[in-house]
This record gives sequence, C-alpha cells and structure tokens, in this order.
Amino acid sequence: NAGVMQNPRHLVRRRGQEARLRCSPMKGHSHVYWYRQLPEEGLKFMVYLQKENIIDESGMPKERFSAEFPKEGPSILRIQQVVRGDSAAYFCASSPRWDNSQETQYFGPGTRLLVL
Amino acid sequence: GENVGLHLPTLSVQEGDNSIINCAYSNSASDYFIWYKQESGKGPQFIIDIRSNMDKRQGQRVTVLLNKTVKHLSLQIAATQPGDSAVYFCAENSAGTYKYIFGTGTRLKVLA
Repeated sequence: NAGVMQNPRHLVRRRGQEARLRCSPMKGHSHVYWYRQLPEEGLKFMVYLQKENIIDESGMPKERFSAEFPKEGPSILRIQQVVRGDSAAYFCASSPRWDNSQETQYFGPGTRLLVL
Repeated sequence: GENVGLHLPTLSVQEGDNSIINCAYSNSASDYFIWYKQESGKGPQFIIDIRSNMDKRQGQRVTVLLNKTVKHLSLQIAATQPGDSAVYFCAENSAGTYKYIFGTGTRLKVLA
C-alpha cells in the first residue's frame, strides 16, 4: 500500500531553467494538493487539482508556475525560468475525495528544489 | 484571515516528561483540525485529528484538546521519547472548503 510518491527528492537547477516536480497520489486518491515550504516555516497552499481539472490555483504565482493532473500519470508542478527565490521544499498531498466529510490529506516526502 | 499561529517556536522537553504543543487559530468557522509531525527531510505525517463537535480526542500517547471559545488547539504527548523530536504543525479546515491552513510549526526537542 504505497503512500504518496514524489520525485525527484532533490532537484538542482540554475536560474532560468525549468523545474518539473512529479507527484503520484496514493492508490484510490483522485485529489492532489501542492504546498510550498520555506525553511523554518509552515506549508503554504499552492494548488488543488482533481483528475484533469484545476480546482483552485489561488496560492500559485500567476507567472512561471503551472500544474496539471492528467487522466493518466502523475501530477506535475512545473516552474519555468526558475529564480533563487523558488528554492524551497515542495510537498504534494492526496486525498480520496473532497466532500463535507473533510478527508485527511496524506503527504509525500517532498521535492527539495535548489536554484543556483 | 489565513493565520494559524503557534505560541512557541521551540519546545525542549526531558525524555519521559509530557509535552504540550499549542496552536491558536483565527478562523472561527474552522471545524476540523489536524496535527502533523514533520521529521527532518520528510513530509508531514498525520498524527491525530479532531472535529469541532468534540473537545478532546485521544490516540496512542497523544491527546488533542480543542477550545472553540478561545480558538485554541493543543497536542499533548505523554512520556515523550527521542523519536518524538520533530516539528509539529496544526492545520485547520472549515466545512464547505477544501483548503487547509497550516501554522508555522513548533519544533520539539527531546533531551536525554
């Protein structure tokens, strides 16, 4: 019963390059959330997706950042033309569904992005 | 606003003692709360949750208390062990929304 999987675990990019972060939710989970965490800080919501749909991207910068969760395959968080300020840990969480029962989110191990 | 805060950024506790980690939340509409544990280099791990129709919930060595009157949440860890050393986050959610708001975290250090 694999948990949420993220890869790569560590990613180093130079300024101006692209970063692609992948998240495979737990089996049976169709809802994915992406969070960003700076050192010594809490998690900041970025985007919430269901299969083939972006439900809420209000926490994601409008430029350079995009996310998708295709019908097949992992969810992808893409950062174009990275800058040093993008250096952070990016966590993915999944839940089986969202409704008024408030399903718990389960987190992956994160991807630590370092921009040189 | 989106502001779930913790009173103490770092808490040092002797091994074997009980730990209490506090969290203040600002959204009075929040009705579901989770405590997560995050060890260094890892993702947050679910510990325990509580809904607003309860004021106390117990797990294995952990107890969560909810005081809706003052919008306060606490996590109690009994007989703290070295493996409990981590950063602990509270998160809040309100029915009808899917967004969880996380606090800044409290680092728990267990002293041998």
